[in-house]
Amino acid sequence: DADVTQTPRNRITKTGKRIMLECSQTKGHDRMYWYRQDPGLGLRLIYYSFDVKDINKGEISDGYSVSRQAQAKFSLSLESAIPNQTALYFCATSDQREGRDTQYFGPGTRLTVL
Amino acid sequence: GEDVEQSLFLSVREGDSSVINCTYTDSSSTYLYWYKQEPGAGLQLLTYIFSNMDMKQDQRLTVLLNKKDKHLSLRIADTQTGDSAIYFCAERDAGNMLTFGGGTRLMVKP
Repeated sequence: DADVTQTPRNRITKTGKRIMLECSQTKGHDRMYWYRQDPGLGLRLIYYSFDVKDINKGEISDGYSVSRQAQAKFSLSLESAIPNQTALYFCATSDQREGRDTQYFGPGTRLTVL
Repeated sequence: GEDVEQSLFLSVREGDSSVINCTYTDSSSTYLYWYKQEPGAGLQLLTYIFSNMDMKQDQRLTVLLNKKDKHLSLRIADTQTGDSAIYFCAERDAGNMLTFGGGTRLMVKP
């Protein structure tokens, strides 16, 4: 969905490096999420935020941190990247005012940690 | 935690119907979703069904929900090569969080 953008789209880095993945949205949604996708495992939730002052850990938050700089921006950081963090990372947004609270996904960032 | 299971792979011929199945464990699911992921792209919402419904039809897509058995299916009529993708089911729990299945790769042969 073009309303949810992620940068970079691809990144190769080395073990121990600090990496930041950015997510921006123009949908005006209050809720934002970070997931990682591994083959055969579907998407697993890393962190989520229901508004600018709200940060919550998901299923697999260890080794990650997030920052919700504004309603439209939610960044994911890997403080010291390790090879098993190689994955496809997706940002998503939703609007709690919409009854279904449907999540809309960005195009993804492919991260490779060597 | 809650679990959502899907078969990994489905192959059909162009023009046939495809049926992708999903089972889940959360008895408090409110909505269930089907997402489509094409190569190199994010997840695109295909359709959803509210947990008190048992069927929803949207053009070529039919969603069936058996709440008693916690079984969800997606039927694609007249499957086309452009339908080749990975399909994810997801359930939304009472806390508004999504749990995804592992995805089913649909291959459509000409």
